[in-house]
Amino acid sequence: QKEVEQNSGPLSVPEGAIASLNCTYSDRGSQSFFWYRQYSGKSPELIMFIYSNGDKEDGRFTAQLNKASQYVSLLIRDSQPSDSATYLCAGNFGNEKLTFGTGTRLTIIP
Amino acid sequence: EAGVAQSPRYKIIEKRQSVAFWCNPISGHATLYWYQQILGQGPKLLIQFQNNGVVDDSQLPKDRFSAERLKGVDSTLKIQPAKLEDSAVYLCASSLDTQQFFGQGTRLTVV
Repeated sequence: QKEVEQNSGPLSVPEGAIASLNCTYSDRGSQSFFWYRQYSGKSPELIMFIYSNGDKEDGRFTAQLNKASQYVSLLIRDSQPSDSATYLCAGNFGNEKLTFGTGTRLTIIP
Repeated sequence: EAGVAQSPRYKIIEKRQSVAFWCNPISGHATLYWYQQILGQGPKLLIQFQNNGVVDDSQLPKDRFSAERLKGVDSTLKIQPAKLEDSAVYLCASSLDTQQFFGQGTRLTVV
């Protein structure tokens, strides 16, 4: 059973600080990982994806992948109130199929 | 570019009734997915289509759920008969490669 696990939170971070969201997975054969942001009552929106070990940066967002430790993270720098949402981690375990974690609820405190 | 379209946005039905959801994927996207998202959980894949063929329906409760994708474009998901535990948001997504794009979803309430 391929699994993706996230701390459900809530995670509270002061505005302007760095928010760190973490995800672990159970399948060593995983090829790629995706971070989605989901506002309350809305559909998931793709923020970033990462295929290779190391860091990938896009604006205020940095995704980190460590395949040896089976660990994926998302860092949000200079957190804004508009970043308050649930963040879903998903792994591609082959055949273009994603397995999602339960999501981490993030609240940015002004 | 138009996104994934779904309808209806909301539906309330009584248990044992039937319901159908419709999805129109992004133009040119060969792969279409239906997910069920229960409140407080991540999306769970119900069925995956590649064009009009089923790739994975291992988590689809086939005694009550059915889905089709005629002509490899639009898709419908049906529940018959509905149970209380089917209350959830049903999300449709499409992809050209591994990046999936989601529609707004249909929020189903079974009472």
